[in-house]
Amino acid sequence: GAGVSQSPSNKVTEKGKDVELRCDPISGHTALYWYRQSLGQGLEFLIYFQGNSAPDKSGLPSDRFSAERTGGSVSTLTIQRTQQEDSAVYLCASSLGNIPNQPQHFGDGTRLSIL
Amino acid sequence: QQQVKQSPQSLIVQKGGISIINCAYENTAFDYFPWYQQFPGKGPALLIAIRPDVSEKKEGRFTISFNKSAKQFSLHIMDSQPGDSATYFCAAAFRGAGSYQLTFGKGTKLSVIP
Repeated sequence: GAGVSQSPSNKVTEKGKDVELRCDPISGHTALYWYRQSLGQGLEFLIYFQGNSAPDKSGLPSDRFSAERTGGSVSTLTIQRTQQEDSAVYLCASSLGNIPNQPQHFGDGTRLSIL
Repeated sequence: QQQVKQSPQSLIVQKGGISIINCAYENTAFDYFPWYQQFPGKGPALLIAIRPDVSEKKEGRFTISFNKSAKQFSLHIMDSQPGDSATYFCAAAFRGAGSYQLTFGKGTKLSVIP
């Protein structure tokens, strides 16, 4: 596809359930990022993947959050035992490489609502 | 130290006017300063970016002004149009834990009225 694709676009689930969010980056982009955007807040960095290197997990807020990237392409963000404070828009971005002049291209996000 | 403070939170400008959004940072390790534009229901899109060795960068109606000594940078939108109505985020990047990470401001909701 032409851009970063995220699915589902919306997800409503009950507190305590696990959720999986998917990101298809732009073909050929080696760097992939996950961010969380809460209402009225900026984007909060969660995790970063670059090629086959170990991911930078420094932004994950708790051990309930995890992510993987299979085959250097598609990535899945998993939130276990969801809490109401996990409600947010989860954004994925990809770039050609992890250097500043390679812009991050964002998907339209998954809006997650925890009841 | 990792924060980027953005103001104002919201801004209303008349068509044809100048929109100005300001950001300030503390961490002198930041070395890349992009601005993103986000429309409702969409992901942010890179608008314009600047490195700290440059004091100003202009692309069309959009200009970034950068003041390294004051640790401040701003976005100016000249001849603002209703189509510019969106949320604007400033950001700053530094190399942390082996990767460049973007730290975002909290955003400015711009409304351009006809």
